[in-house]
Amino acid sequence: RKEVEQDPGPFNVPEGATVAFNCTYSNSASQSFFWYRQDCRKEPKLLMSVYSSGNEDGRFTAQLNRASQYISLLIRDSKLSDSATYLCVVNPPNAGKSTFGDGTTLTVKP
Amino acid sequence: NAGVTQTPKFQVLKTGQSMTLQCAQDMNHEYMSWYRQDPGMGLRLIHYSVGAGITDQGEVPNGYNVSRSTTEDFPLRLLSAAPSQTSVYFCASKSTGAANTEAFFGQGTRLTVV
Repeated sequence: RKEVEQDPGPFNVPEGATVAFNCTYSNSASQSFFWYRQDCRKEPKLLMSVYSSGNEDGRFTAQLNRASQYISLLIRDSKLSDSATYLCVVNPPNAGKSTFGDGTTLTVKP
Repeated sequence: NAGVTQTPKFQVLKTGQSMTLQCAQDMNHEYMSWYRQDPGMGLRLIHYSVGAGITDQGEVPNGYNVSRSTTEDFPLRLLSAAPSQTSVYFCASKSTGAANTEAFFGQGTRLTVV
């Protein structure tokens, strides 16, 4: 079993749709969590951190469920420009390496 | 801010050649790492370092060497290039302080081995 697992998709949705991605992790001691966005083999860039209480940034909402060991990303009112691959990232409790999921591909269509 | 700088952006090598991919960061980050990404695939960790003088292997280290003589630089050396090493290579750095912050990536090096 991979340390971090994501549904690879692809998710194909129309503009304006709401779409949600989940990501599960195996290390219950994991300390911090992030969602990254990657466009067409460019470098991944931070989309948002994921806080225990959940957090929102405009149309994007991130949630953490420590009991079930998963994080989620909700995108409301999808735009064409949201088309990308979304990577979840899990950091260990010590100063060690981050673990990246393989990514979920989203295509938003007109 | 320059952030994480990788050079070169593109490179074509012949099988058997060696070369070094350069990575430098100006954020005083302790942790640096190298990933490769093949088409349609996720990031795979090659090597990483938690500080100057300390390096360790990731999941796909064979055929690659690294060194970390300074905090700023973390070069990746291909010893004898093979077509299977054709990929996009990303360098990343992050702070390992209490906040355990996010990783910052360079723009990538697109390597083709013929």
